[in-house]
Order: sequence, then C-alpha cells, then structure tokens
Amino acid sequence: QKEVEQDPGPLSVPEGAIVSLNCTYSNSAFQYFMWYRQYSRKGPELLMYTYSSGNKEDGRFTAQVDKSSKYISLFIRDSQPSDSATYLCAMSLGKLIFGTGTRLQVFP
Amino acid sequence: SAVISQKPSRDICQRGTSLTIQCQVDSQVTMMFWYRQQPGQSLTLIATANQGSEATYESGFVIDKFPISRPNLTFSTLTVSNMSPEDSSIYLCSVSWMDVESSDTQYFGPGTRLTVL
Repeated sequence: QKEVEQDPGPLSVPEGAIVSLNCTYSNSAFQYFMWYRQYSRKGPELLMYTYSSGNKEDGRFTAQVDKSSKYISLFIRDSQPSDSATYLCAMSLGKLIFGTGTRLQVFP
Repeated sequence: SAVISQKPSRDICQRGTSLTIQCQVDSQVTMMFWYRQQPGQSLTLIATANQGSEATYESGFVIDKFPISRPNLTFSTLTVSNMSPEDSSIYLCSVSWMDVESSDTQYFGPGTRLTVL
C-alpha cells in the first residue's frame, strides 16, 4: 500500500464548477499537509499548507484535513480555465511524501 | 518564498555521459533538496543537499550516481552520472527555511527536463 493515494484523474469540469480533489494516507504520524499546483512544464507551486484537522480557506481554495479518517481534500470554488493543472497533495514527516497528482481540466 | 532558478531547463544527452544541473536561489535558505519526477509518478526525493558536508541520500539513490554539492546557502548542483535512458525524467530542486511558521513547506524550482538517448 502506498503511503499517499491520489486519484490521477483526469478530472474535466465546466468553468464555474466546484472541484473536489482528494488524497488518503496510511501513516497517522503525518503532521503537515500541503497542496501544490503544477502547470505543464513548470515546477510545483505551493497552494495551501495546513497542520491541524479542519478547514483552511484562501480565496477560492479550501483545504480540509480529517486526521481521524486519514483523508485530505482541496476544494476549488468557481473554477476557472486557468485552474487547469495537476494538483499534488503532499504530507510531511521530516520529509515530504507526494501523491501522484490529479490532472484537472476546466473548460470554458 | 524565493526566486529559484535551474540550469539547464532541458537537455538531451547520450547514454554514458553525465549532466550537472544547477539550482540557484535569490536568498539564503536553510534546506535544499533534489527530486525526480518521472512521467505518471509522484515526486521522489533523491537527497537533501547539506551546506558544507555530504548530501543525505534516500533509499535507492547513491552518491556515485547522483553526486551533489552545496557550497553555500544559495546554490546547489546535482550531477546525473553515467546516464541511461531510465534516467530520463524531470529533476527538481526545492528549498525550505524550516522556521516555525513554514515548517516543512518547500518551494520548487522550474525543473530540468532530461532525455537520455
């Protein structure tokens, strides 16, 4: 079993939709949780960072952590074509462990 | 965050040769890391570049294959030695400050796309 599981997609949604991206993990010792966005042929860009269970909001993005279920989510409201990218979850325990990424396409 | 640059951005190399990738940051950072990103796979940590001492390698990666230097707090190099087609990948450097607020968050460079023929 991989330490971090992420649905690879691709996920295709119309502009304005609410997008839900998810990761599950197996190691309950993970302490910090991050979401990165990676555009094609670019390096990953840090979007959200959270430590505790619950929700953290930043503009159109909400990161949710449920440590009891070992499950994290990223919600994107009012999705835009510019949100089309691969989204990577990452978890930290001294070093970062990444999911494989979910490819998102938002069409006009 | 910081501005992180990598050179070269891409290269095509012949089997058996070596390539050195540079990572430059516009401010001093605590930690520098090197990752590999193969198609359809997650980012895999190769090693942590330690300033003034030998890098710390992850399981499956060895210094003879991936020698790393970090002469100061803003610069590091990764060499991919004696390359084979299996080394074709994107190589990324990342940095972190490890302060109380940012903790383990890392910021990535643009990557170097390597193709080995």
